[in-house]
Amino acid sequence: GQQLNQSPQSMFIQEGEDVSMNCTSSSIFNTWLWYKQDPGEGPVLLIALYKAGELTSNGRLTAQFGITRKDSFLNISASIPSDVGIYFCAGRSASGANSKLTFGKGITLSVRP
Amino acid sequence: GAVVSQHPSWVICKSGTSVKIECRSLDFQATTMFWYRQFPKQSLMLMATSNEGSKATYEQGVEKDKFLINHASLTLSTLTVTSAHPEDSSFYICSAEDITDTQYFGPGTRLTVL
Repeated sequence: GQQLNQSPQSMFIQEGEDVSMNCTSSSIFNTWLWYKQDPGEGPVLLIALYKAGELTSNGRLTAQFGITRKDSFLNISASIPSDVGIYFCAGRSASGANSKLTFGKGITLSVRP
Repeated sequence: GAVVSQHPSWVICKSGTSVKIECRSLDFQATTMFWYRQFPKQSLMLMATSNEGSKATYEQGVEKDKFLINHASLTLSTLTVTSAHPEDSSFYICSAEDITDTQYFGPGTRLTVL
């Protein structure tokens, strides 16, 4: 089946630093999504990417849809303590009736004050 | 916009009882909703796709008679865990898909079966 690879499993950074997370796949996806999940809560959509090569920003977050459609990255600039959480990438390879998302395993981000 | 709610946020029940979880899209209509379960420190596992006005589509290995899904309206889907057992204890999360096929997630329901 389709898989999304996120690594490492955990990242530790200092407050104020920038951090980049990658998500890769052997399959092509038509949509890439990045979610953040806090403990005990549901994932919150950060950025949605719909077109190969697309670069989208949301405040301190920037994400890009890889030109090959097999990868995406998320950058967080000037990290703050509330950036702590689990970051999931998700991809969709079809639309309409087959619009299931495939999730990566997530990266747990820790930010040291 | 794009707010999805779940009720209850947590529930504790005795083994053998049934538990119903509601998922509502508050400010948009969703012909498709999804139900996931998540174990500690793991990713989301899709259980089923809920389609308004038709039967849900279950993922392989998910028992449809145990996890009953009803998508009665464009803003409400329910998941009923029937005859719950301790191994059903988990974090259940729903999502609702808007017109752009973007999924927005609910806050989750923590189910503990004693």
